[in-house]
Amino acid sequence: QSALTQPASVSESPGQSITISCTGTRNDVGGYDFVSWYQQHPGKAPKLMIYEVTNRPSGVPDRFSGSKSGNTASLTISGLQADDEAYYYCSSWTSSSTPVAFGGGTKLTVL
Amino acid sequence: EVQLLESGGGLVQPGGSLRLSCAASGFTFSTYAMSWVRQAPGKGLEWVSGISGSYSSTYYADSVKGRFTISRDSSKNTLYLQMNSLRPEDAAVYFCAKGALTVAGGLDYWGQGTLLTVSS
Repeated sequence: QSALTQPASVSESPGQSITISCTGTRNDVGGYDFVSWYQQHPGKAPKLMIYEVTNRPSGVPDRFSGSKSGNTASLTISGLQADDEAYYYCSSWTSSSTPVAFGGGTKLTVL
Repeated sequence: EVQLLESGGGLVQPGGSLRLSCAASGFTFSTYAMSWVRQAPGKGLEWVSGISGSYSSTYYADSVKGRFTISRDSSKNTLYLQMNSLRPEDAAVYFCAKGALTVAGGLDYWGQGTLLTVSS
């Protein structure tokens, strides 16, 4: 069982917006601003989309944004495109004996 | 251009050992933290181990602590993962990933992965 909780799947139509949540505790998401989001297409390596809660690496479209409130981090994708269909994983630094946790992943379907 | 190339995966019997390597290029290897992340077939990502840049502090997931050892050779720009006492549940694709200045930061570049199979 993953330390961080994500919905297993979400779906939305092209052009719309969607938000994926990542719920942890004060020992991880709530306690640190080291939350990252990754996109993974089947058979490919993950790609960093958001780091340190809100920051986008160079080359990531500004349609992708991150936020955090309390123990829950969120990834919002606006103007959904077909290529956004992928798995999305959150991760966080933690104070536990396993210092980096991943969420279980969310499958995004763009209808 | 940042490149990470993993090698060393393969088939190993339960209880056996294997060493993974990750050859890095395109950045100042000694400066950045590096991590290993694995993904079992059809499953999600699991962080395995990380090593800081400057002081080479090491970190491990509970699931591998005492069995796996991460190390880096900055003269060869190479990251390693020594895996001992392997179990069937260690079977996965192992990704090498470049981190920020600390292990806590995001992983901004990933290799394509190397497959470990643990079976008798």
